[in-house]
Amino acid sequence: QKEVEQNSGPLSVPEGAIASLNCTYSDRGSQSFFWYRQYSGKSPELIMFIYSNGDKEDGRFTAQLNKASQYVSLLIRDSQPSDSATYLCAVKGDNAGNMLTFGGGTRLMVKP
Amino acid sequence: SQTIHQWPATLVQPVGSPLSLECTVEGTSNPNLYWYRQAAGRGLQLLFYSVGIGQISSEVPQNLSASRPQDRQFILSSKKLLLSDSGFYLCAWSPGYNEQFFGPGTRLTVL
Repeated sequence: QKEVEQNSGPLSVPEGAIASLNCTYSDRGSQSFFWYRQYSGKSPELIMFIYSNGDKEDGRFTAQLNKASQYVSLLIRDSQPSDSATYLCAVKGDNAGNMLTFGGGTRLMVKP
Repeated sequence: SQTIHQWPATLVQPVGSPLSLECTVEGTSNPNLYWYRQAAGRGLQLLFYSVGIGQISSEVPQNLSASRPQDRQFILSSKKLLLSDSGFYLCAWSPGYNEQFFGPGTRLTVL
């Protein structure tokens, strides 16, 4: 069974610090990796995706992928209180329906 | 640009009553469509997905069903709701590769 694991948190960081969110996955055939942000009571919104080993930067966000270690992370620089949310990691394998497997999410709290 | 709609936004239903949730997508054609359920404090559970009109794949056996009567319309139904059906129901669409985009969701409470 394909699994995606995240620490549920909460991860607490001070405003202006770097928040580091981690995710591991079990399926070595996984091809693409996604990070979603979900505010309480709202639907998930896509932050970014990555499919090649290494780093991918988008504004204050950096996704890091290490396929050998089956590990993907999201760094948030200059964390703001508005970044406080649950961050969901999702993994896409080799499937015709473009199905994603989601982790349980990490709750991030950024304290002013 | 693409937009995804879901309704109703909230719903309170008694146990044993029927259910119909609707999802529509605008601004794209032949999307992949998905129904997820998120129980309180839990991750997303894929319920159904569809790659085309009339094509439904079920991921979890349960008392729910899905239909896709039109290219950009996806419906989630139940004949008799259970208490365990309570949750946040999310519809998502994908262009067929990579990322999925979520609708605003329907919060269902079964009493």
